Amino acid sequence: LAKTTQPISMDSYEGQEVNITCSHNNIATNDYITWYQQFPSQGPRFIIQGYKTKVTNEVASLFIPADRKSSTLSLPRVSLSDTAVYYCLVGYYRDDKIIFGKGTRLHILP
Amino acid sequence: DADVTQTPRNRITKTGKRIMLECSQTKGHDRMYWYRQDPGLGLRLIYYSFDVKDINKGEISDGYSVSRQAQAKFSLSLESAIPNQTALYFCATSDLGTVSDTQYFGPGTRLTVL
Repeated sequence: LAKTTQPISMDSYEGQEVNITCSHNNIATNDYITWYQQFPSQGPRFIIQGYKTKVTNEVASLFIPADRKSSTLSLPRVSLSDTAVYYCLVGYYRDDKIIFGKGTRLHILP
Repeated sequence: DADVTQTPRNRITKTGKRIMLECSQTKGHDRMYWYRQDPGLGLRLIYYSFDVKDINKGEISDGYSVSRQAQAKFSLSLESAIPNQTALYFCATSDLGTVSDTQYFGPGTRLTVL
């Protein structure tokens, strides 16, 4: 199973762009990269997923370099409501299990 | 996600009691999971099931058991609750038919064992 490493915490200010990088050096060929967002006392919520290059949706962008050994979640113009824990996961549906790490605790300041 | 429901939402019990947490889903997904989350820690997988006849242990299955009563229902039991099982418990589902295996989580059950 591919292990991921991401910063434990980050602070930013409202209106800024926030980039959270996740390292996954032993990613396998079939693995997808998925990011989840979790607010206190709620279940994680899917944000974005990608396999290679760049993916963008209405919430975020995901940048994946050619070697796929890392990925960067980009949140444009954050607001206070983006304060949450963000998890980076790597895996494939045939895996026995996909592991959630401790995530990155993002704190947005006014 | 309203498609995944958990009952009860909060439970306080005493050491040694048997507790069952229930999860139901209307998403039609084959896969279901039980996680626990402790303060400051990420989610840890307890059990998972890929279909009604398939049950697998996760990272921390000791002290827990599960039952997959139907495709839509997956229950977690604590046979004899102990205080260090106090945690937030989440159920999740995913669709076996998709390669991406995106998981959809319930609202959680906060369990306190005194």
